[in-house]
Amino acid sequence: DAGVIQSPRHEVTEMGQEVTLRCKPISGHDYLFWYRQTMMRGLELLIYFNNNVPIDDSGMPEDRFSAKMPNASFSTLKIQPSEPRDSAVYFCASSPAGGRVYEQYFGPGTRLTVT
Amino acid sequence: QKEVEQNSGPLSVPEGAIASLNCTYSDRVSQSFFWYRQYSGKSPELIMSIYSNGDKEDGRFTAQLNKASQYVSLLIRDSQPSDSATYLCAVKSPPGGGADGLTFGKGTHLIIQP
Repeated sequence: DAGVIQSPRHEVTEMGQEVTLRCKPISGHDYLFWYRQTMMRGLELLIYFNNNVPIDDSGMPEDRFSAKMPNASFSTLKIQPSEPRDSAVYFCASSPAGGRVYEQYFGPGTRLTVT
Repeated sequence: QKEVEQNSGPLSVPEGAIASLNCTYSDRVSQSFFWYRQYSGKSPELIMSIYSNGDKEDGRFTAQLNKASQYVSLLIRDSQPSDSATYLCAVKSPPGGGADGLTFGKGTHLIIQP
């Protein structure tokens, strides 16, 4: 079975540009999470969805960040405009419902560099 | 603000010995605890979960939880070079106490010396 799929794997962009990260969760999983990882702050939860509905976006750093999940098999995280401090690895994770909701399966990540 | 603390290391352990990784958490009502392994340049991978006080064993791995001391640990027996990685401790609060996401520590870098 395919795991969580993320694209692109690497993204280099200039400050002020729009960046869109994409995620396909594991089929049948009801939860989707977006995390950001940096050396300074570690792994931080940005937002999560349950059955395509955003549940908690309190981790989104500011209005420049937005996330959508138009259907059960696709989600996007958009940064507009991007800034150098947004440089990080962005992970998407998914998990099944019920008692195993905390067993999160991570995608390979997107390494974002903003110059 | 919920916090999960880990010694960043590196923790160096000879091959075949027991590696002991520790984690403390600030939210007393936390209910679920997880250990993730992350190889350099890769994504985190769940290796252990523990929900009640005491020990839980899975192969060479043992998770230990002490809620009174707000302390969780991971023991790796017969350490192998392939165990060299960063180990992330993660904590989940009960429903209503926060998101269904996890709060992660910054990880302990473990090096197994051949």
